[in-house]
Amino acid sequence: SQTIHQWPATLVQPVGSPLSLECTVEGTSNPNLYWYRQAAGRGLQLLFYSVGIGQISSEVPQNLSASRPQDRQFILSSKKLLLSDSGFYLCAWSGGRWGRPLNTEAFFGQGTRLTVV
Amino acid sequence: DQQVKQNSPSLSVQEGRISILNCDYTNSMFDYFLWYKKYPAEGPTFLISISSIKDKNEDGRFTVFLNKSAKHLSLHIVPSQPGDSAVYFCAASGRGSTLGRLYFGRGTQLTVWP
Repeated sequence: SQTIHQWPATLVQPVGSPLSLECTVEGTSNPNLYWYRQAAGRGLQLLFYSVGIGQISSEVPQNLSASRPQDRQFILSSKKLLLSDSGFYLCAWSGGRWGRPLNTEAFFGQGTRLTVV
Repeated sequence: DQQVKQNSPSLSVQEGRISILNCDYTNSMFDYFLWYKKYPAEGPTFLISISSIKDKNEDGRFTVFLNKSAKHLSLHIVPSQPGDSAVYFCAASGRGSTLGRLYFGRGTQLTVWP
């Protein structure tokens, strides 16, 4: 079965410090990978998604970047955190390829609560 | 620009009654729709989905209805139980520029009281 791991679960970082959140998926190959953020009182905002190694699409311009160094590894980074980067970050994966699978349910990790102070 | 909209931020229902959560979308390229349930400090879990070739999909107490002409879908929970209390997100994916992406609404907080 497929599993997704996301860490750390909580993180408190000072303004201006760097960020690295990691996500790995097991039990599948060539997944679509996503980073979402849920800010306080808001819905799920898609930040980045990737359909393959080195292929990253950004949904919104921001202080964050993403990388996919391996097929099942997705990393969210920032060089200098802002207060507005606080939120609940979620990694997710879905199956299939660019050719459009019928089922595109995304499966989520447990999330990282990031507080920038 | 919010392409998937859940206009009701909260819904309160008595146990045993029906819960109806609504969702609207604007992008006509969307052809697959999903509902997720989320508890605090956890990732969302997939609940039920529907393809645009159908107008109804049922799974136990959960039924999703799709009205393509109105670009509207709804999730019915019958009967509602206190354990159903959570935030429910509507999501959509599709063809063209939306391929490979999931777009979420802002969520509806469902509270089921005894």
